[in-house]
Amino acid sequence: GAVVSQHPSWVICKSGTSVKIECRSLDFQATTMFWYRQFPKQSLMLMATSNEGSKATYEQGVEKDKFLINHASLTLSTLTVTSAHPEDSSFYICSARDRRGAGNEQFFGPGTRLTVL
Amino acid sequence: AQTVTQSQPEMSVQEAETVTLSCTYDTSESDYYLFWYKQPPSRQMILVIRQEAYKQQNATENRFSVNFQKAAKSFSLKISDSQLGDAAMYFCAYRLYTGTASKLTFGTGTRLQVTL
Repeated sequence: GAVVSQHPSWVICKSGTSVKIECRSLDFQATTMFWYRQFPKQSLMLMATSNEGSKATYEQGVEKDKFLINHASLTLSTLTVTSAHPEDSSFYICSARDRRGAGNEQFFGPGTRLTVL
Repeated sequence: AQTVTQSQPEMSVQEAETVTLSCTYDTSESDYYLFWYKQPPSRQMILVIRQEAYKQQNATENRFSVNFQKAAKSFSLKISDSQLGDAAMYFCAYRLYTGTASKLTFGTGTRLQVTL
């Protein structure tokens, strides 16, 4: 099956620093990648949708200058949390949609736990 | 806007028994997908089952089956012969059928416990 990886799996950083999270589709090309945020015991909240070679589309209420998304290729998207603060601590999950599948199957990465001190 | 509602925050089932998780949704569209995802303690999202709205036949995947009632906008998941490994959060999700950028809308989730 299709595999999506995320790196790092967990990261601890100091307040005010920036953190970059990578999302890769390992064995397929992803037309579209999605970034979600999940708080403990809650559902996934879509932050943004990114298409290769174009600007990401952010959901209402998500600060695009704080959460920078780059989708440079059909297999890589990155999320950079700029000037991170403790309230940005969360579990971040990416997913990638396989362009080939008839149902446009969407596969999820294993997530990245961000802790901001 | 589409909404997905899971009214059961927690459910419990004994091993080998059957359990049904409820999901309702609201949409004005006619062509869409519905999904059940499982999120075990590892937090890796795993697709359990998918239903295309245009199909009248309920989807099945081994011990997992759905009861899709389009008119009632209901999409329940039945897990038969429950196993300890089924313990997880289960999320119901909706997505429009067309458009590669169409988004998944998730419900709030149901935590399933499996007891011996």
